[in-house]
Amino acid sequence: KAGVTQTPRYLIKTRGQQVTLSCSPISGHRSVSWYQQTPGQGLQFLFEYFSETQRNKGNFPGRFSGRQFSNSRSEMNVSTLELGDSALYLCASSPGTLYEQYFGPGTRLTVT
Amino acid sequence: GEDVEQSLFLSVREGDSSVINCTYTDSSSTYLYWYKQEPGAGLQLLTYIFSNMDMKQDQRLTVLLNKKDKHLSLRIADTQTGDSAIYFCAETFPSGYSTLTFGKGTMLLVSP
Repeated sequence: KAGVTQTPRYLIKTRGQQVTLSCSPISGHRSVSWYQQTPGQGLQFLFEYFSETQRNKGNFPGRFSGRQFSNSRSEMNVSTLELGDSALYLCASSPGTLYEQYFGPGTRLTVT
Repeated sequence: GEDVEQSLFLSVREGDSSVINCTYTDSSSTYLYWYKQEPGAGLQLLTYIFSNMDMKQDQRLTVLLNKKDKHLSLRIADTQTGDSAIYFCAETFPSGYSTLTFGKGTMLLVSP
């Protein structure tokens, strides 16, 4: 089976812009979670989608949003980018009923 | 509250055993995980243990769980230079579905 794919792998944006990141889960997996990784805060949970519904949400401002499509692919959007949003954004997929989560390679976002 | 702590750095010689430790504070954790992250890459799931187990062995990896002390360890036998990476301990909760809470990671450096 193909693993979790994320596009793009690298992105450079300017403060105030918005960005959309994409994640394709492992075939058959219905749950997609997003995490932000920074040197200072480590790995922090953003949100989880299961069957197109947001099932869990972390403690991030409303500028961070996401959605999931009927084919389980997910996107996350960050509006009005700030310098502190520079991070590695990781997507993880899971069957949904089991607790195994498999991560993609991440999207490295740099905000200048 | 939810908190996972790990030591930041471990250095071993090739061929030795490595033991990476983790403590967690929430006794309601259901699954506990070990992930590996190599430079520039996503997270690789190494192994996980259900909270009602004491030990799990998988080839060179041994996970020990002491629920009384809320202590989790990962032992890597015959450590190789390719094992050099950052290792993350993570936990999930009954109500948290696929939400993972991570430690800050332990950097393992294996020297020849």
